[in-house]
Amino acid sequence: AQSVTQLDSQVPVFEEAPVELRCNYSSSVSVYLFWYVQYPNQGLQLLLKYLSGSTLVESINGFEAEFNKSQTSFHLRKPSVHISDTAEYFCAVRPSQGAQKLVFGQGTRLTINP
Amino acid sequence: KAGVTQTPRYLIKTRGQQVTLSCSPISGHRSVSWYQQTPGQGLQFLFEYFSETQRNKGNFPGRFSGRQFSNSRSEMNVSTLELGDSALYLCASSVSGGAGETQYFGPGTRLLVL
Repeated sequence: AQSVTQLDSQVPVFEEAPVELRCNYSSSVSVYLFWYVQYPNQGLQLLLKYLSGSTLVESINGFEAEFNKSQTSFHLRKPSVHISDTAEYFCAVRPSQGAQKLVFGQGTRLTINP
Repeated sequence: KAGVTQTPRYLIKTRGQQVTLSCSPISGHRSVSWYQQTPGQGLQFLFEYFSETQRNKGNFPGRFSGRQFSNSRSEMNVSTLELGDSALYLCASSVSGGAGETQYFGPGTRLLVL
């Protein structure tokens, strides 16, 4: 079985400040890792994912995440946040073999203050 | 391409009633997954359908059921509603449900049980 822990339920930051949203996972099998974002009153949108290759993955809107196998982490970072980044962020894992479900963390609410 | 659509967007029911929610996946997508999102439990997997067959099931009671039609549209049904069934129900589609595929989420159906 897999589990995901997002270490912070809420993260308030000032606009243009850097941010890191932490995610740790547990799994006895190889997994793929995902970050999804949920804006108010909307469904989830994929932000980025790690399948293989370079451990640093980037999204088109400036977020990046680094897969660290030894620490079983997949933290999400952005060097300078904008008001429009206010949303809830979910880390998720899925076994890399077979048709298996996505397992989500509890989410981190990112609030950007002007 | 049109995104994942879910109907209705909002629903109010009373305890003991039943409800049917509908999901239309992105054209060409054959895998449809359903998730329940609540403040207390977060995002939990309900089930996945592929080519009209349930391929995966989460840990929910038998009151929760679903089906998929030949055009890949999916419905989920909850019978004998309980107060705890109040939640946002999210549907997600992908091409074939492969582990590394992106799941595209709909806006959700918000169900309130009184």
